[in-house]
Amino acid sequence: AQSVTQPDIHITVSEGASLELRCNYSYGATPYLFWYVQSPGQGLQLLLKYFSGDTLVQGIKGFEAEFKRSQSSFNLRKPSVHWSDAAEYFCAVGGGYNKLIFGAGTRLAVHP
Amino acid sequence: GAVVSQHPSRVICKSGTSVKIECRSLDFQATTMFWYRQFPKQSLMLMATSNEGSKATYEQGVEKDKFLINHASLTLSTLTVTSAHPEDSSFYICSARSGIDTEAFFGQGTRLTVV
Repeated sequence: AQSVTQPDIHITVSEGASLELRCNYSYGATPYLFWYVQSPGQGLQLLLKYFSGDTLVQGIKGFEAEFKRSQSSFNLRKPSVHWSDAAEYFCAVGGGYNKLIFGAGTRLAVHP
Repeated sequence: GAVVSQHPSRVICKSGTSVKIECRSLDFQATTMFWYRQFPKQSLMLMATSNEGSKATYEQGVEKDKFLINHASLTLSTLTVTSAHPEDSSFYICSARSGIDTEAFFGQGTRLTVV
């Protein structure tokens, strides 16, 4: 079955600390992988995506993610978190942009 | 990125009435639009996929007669929640794309409360 698992429901980090949000997927074909960010009451904004090629992808707002096929993972990282990064983060998988399957999300809180 | 606008952003309606949510692509032609539903503190669940000029394809478990989707033009899709009940209260989000292998852009969502 196709699925996305985000093991951490809620993460709290201090401003300036590094961040890693975990994402594991199960997908029958070559996956297209995405990370989205959602602020309260807002729609989703695409942070980055992986389709093929270099397994380390750079996104907006200083985020990056690494695709590890052997681990079926696509973890999101940021070296130094800003207070404005507090939001909900969703990992998603799909065959291209078709019918994205979303994880349950990780809520990030940032302490000053 | 491209802009997708949803209207209204919030709506409160009485139980038994119908409510329409609009999703517009402002600067591109959306051949496909997706409608999602999001419960509090949960992920997005795809409800249906609509292609311009065709009937929408609903996901398993989604009542097509309750959630009417119309995609009559390349810039507008509507979701009508018919005979709404309190359990229909949720956050509804649309996304739109211009082609098969192009990014889908999300609207800002509509918070529906049925009282």
